[in-house]
Amino acid sequence: NAGVTQTPKFRVLKTGQSMTLLCAQDMNHEYMYWYRQDPGMGLRLIHYSVGEGTTAKGEVPDGYNVSRLKKQNFLLGLESAAPSQTSVYFCASRPFAGVDYEQYFGPGTRLTVT
Amino acid sequence: EDQVTQSPEALRLQEGESSSLNCSYTVSGLRGLFWYRQDPGKGPEFLFTLYSAGEEKEKERLKATLTKKESFLHITAPKPEDSATYLCAVQVRAHKLSFGAGTTVTVRA
Repeated sequence: NAGVTQTPKFRVLKTGQSMTLLCAQDMNHEYMYWYRQDPGMGLRLIHYSVGEGTTAKGEVPDGYNVSRLKKQNFLLGLESAAPSQTSVYFCASRPFAGVDYEQYFGPGTRLTVT
Repeated sequence: EDQVTQSPEALRLQEGESSSLNCSYTVSGLRGLFWYRQDPGKGPEFLFTLYSAGEEKEKERLKATLTKKESFLHITAPKPEDSATYLCAVQVRAHKLSFGAGTTVTVRA
């Protein structure tokens, strides 16, 4: 199993450009999450999904949109990138929501917005 | 508001020099506390889940403990391969993990 994969690994955008980050998992997990990680701060939840076709806002959703058309994929979109969105983005998945189940993280996407 | 604070921010150890990392939290209704390890350029990797005060878990040179207000990650006789950033996170609701900023551990041979 590949686990959780993310594409691309690196990306540089200019302010105002748009892009989509792709997360894929092959573990048949129901729940998927998008986080951002900034220096000196903990991982912060952007959006999450509790199943195919459903999404919900997390702690810092502004400026991002998500879609989960297929169970194995969770897409994060930036419609008009801003320098404040420079960060490392992590996708995670878990089979169930209970505390007994840890989240499995992807390798991350490093995004720079100039 | 849930708060998770990790200390110290960075820790430099000599190989074999045991030490502890702290994760203090202020939350309402802790369901569980997680420890993760993160290597440079990689995603966090799960280590432990602790559920209630007094609980302890061990894995190789790592031992995690939990009280009502904080958790400790003890590293016994560390090796250079234990160098990483260690993250703790608390869960109070089904889909909400609050993460600390992490402690970066460097173990010198």
